[in-house]
Amino acid sequence: AQSVTQLDSQVPVFEEAPVELRCNYSSSVSVYLFWYVQYPNQGLQLLLKYLSGSTLVKGINGFEAEFNKSQTSFHLRKPSVHISDTAEYFCAVSRTGRRALTFGSGTRLQVQP
Amino acid sequence: EAGVAQSPRYKIIEKRQSVAFWCNPISGHATLYWYQQILGQGPKLLIQFQNNGVVDDSQLPKDRFSAERLKGVDSTLKIQPAKLEDSAVYLCASSSDEQFFGPGTRLTVL
Repeated sequence: AQSVTQLDSQVPVFEEAPVELRCNYSSSVSVYLFWYVQYPNQGLQLLLKYLSGSTLVKGINGFEAEFNKSQTSFHLRKPSVHISDTAEYFCAVSRTGRRALTFGSGTRLQVQP
Repeated sequence: EAGVAQSPRYKIIEKRQSVAFWCNPISGHATLYWYQQILGQGPKLLIQFQNNGVVDDSQLPKDRFSAERLKGVDSTLKIQPAKLEDSAVYLCASSSDEQFFGPGTRLTVL
């Protein structure tokens, strides 16, 4: 079985500052890794995913994440945030070859002017 | 391309009542999922369909929850009878490769 830990439930940050949202996972088998964003009263939207290859993954809206196998981490970063980035962010994993996702508990990013 | 559609968007019921949710996946997507998202938590898989067959329902509380996907397209999720702890957002997703999520149905059980 897999599990995902998002270490921060809330991250306040000022506009134009850099941000890192942390994600660690546990699995006995190979996994795929994902970050999703959820705006209020909306469904989940895929930001980026790691399936294989380069450990640095670039996604939409200027976000990127780095897969670190030795530390079982997949932290999400953005060099300069905007007010519009205020949302809930979820890290998720799936077993390779299967698509059902196991999610972390989420991190609420609050961008302040 | 139309996204995943869900209805109703909101539902309020009394405990012990029954409720049903409907999902229309993206056209051509063979795989359909139902997730439960309790406030303050990440979504948790309830059931996964491949066409009209069940792939994984290990986390579905089968004494009260049921789901079907007749003809391998639309799906319904039913709760009978509802409990207070069933208050959550129920998300439907479909995939051919990447998962696409619907807006969810917010259920409040009083």
